[in-house]
Amino acid sequence: NFMLTQPHSVSASPGKTVTISCTRNSGSIASNFVQWYQQRPGSAPTTVIYEDNQRPSGVPDRFSGSIDSSSNSASLTISGLKTEDEADYYCQSYNNSINWVFGGGTKLTVL
Amino acid sequence: EVQLVESGGGLIQPGGSLRLSCAASGFTFSSFWMHWVRQAPGKGLVWVSHIDSDGTSINYADSVKGRFTISRDNAKNTLYLQMNSLRVEDTAVYYCARGSITGIDWGQGTLVTVSS
Repeated sequence: NFMLTQPHSVSASPGKTVTISCTRNSGSIASNFVQWYQQRPGSAPTTVIYEDNQRPSGVPDRFSGSIDSSSNSASLTISGLKTEDEADYYCQSYNNSINWVFGGGTKLTVL
Repeated sequence: EVQLVESGGGLIQPGGSLRLSCAASGFTFSSFWMHWVRQAPGKGLVWVSHIDSDGTSINYADSVKGRFTISRDNAKNTLYLQMNSLRVEDTAVYYCARGSITGIDWGQGTLVTVSS
């Protein structure tokens, strides 16, 4: 089994751009799709990116996803930050047993 | 619209048992793998278990293997999690979840508190 490692927290000002990384410790990041979830306090998570870089309908195009094989990591980038983007963000992928593997989560603070 | 509604959480003593239910609607329940994911207070998301569409393929996280049992009733569009020999460290919000090509659809969660 592999692990996904995220920074514990990131912060940026409204209107700026922030990137959250998700690094896979073994196996290729490209071997299984990566999803990203937003979780506001007291609420269930919601999908903001699926299949590495696809946005569900209703998610603004300020949210984008990518993978980088050289660093074996996935990234979630949020541009034009708004105060409403303040939340916890989790990356997720799959292992060979089709079990879900989650990153530890990143708390985004919009200052 | 996909709806997943969990129930059955509550306060239970260590060593006790609890059964969670998840009522599904808005999609063809019998066609989808279903999962349980938990989140301890102030902590991250942790996958607990999954069951395939007809209940023949099941898997568990090591932390719950031998104590938890996942099952489903496709006629009732309901997912279950039987939790036995509960431990303090099982305290968490338990989410019912459906995996799809567009990511995970989540229920609102049900809180399980294991405490004496």
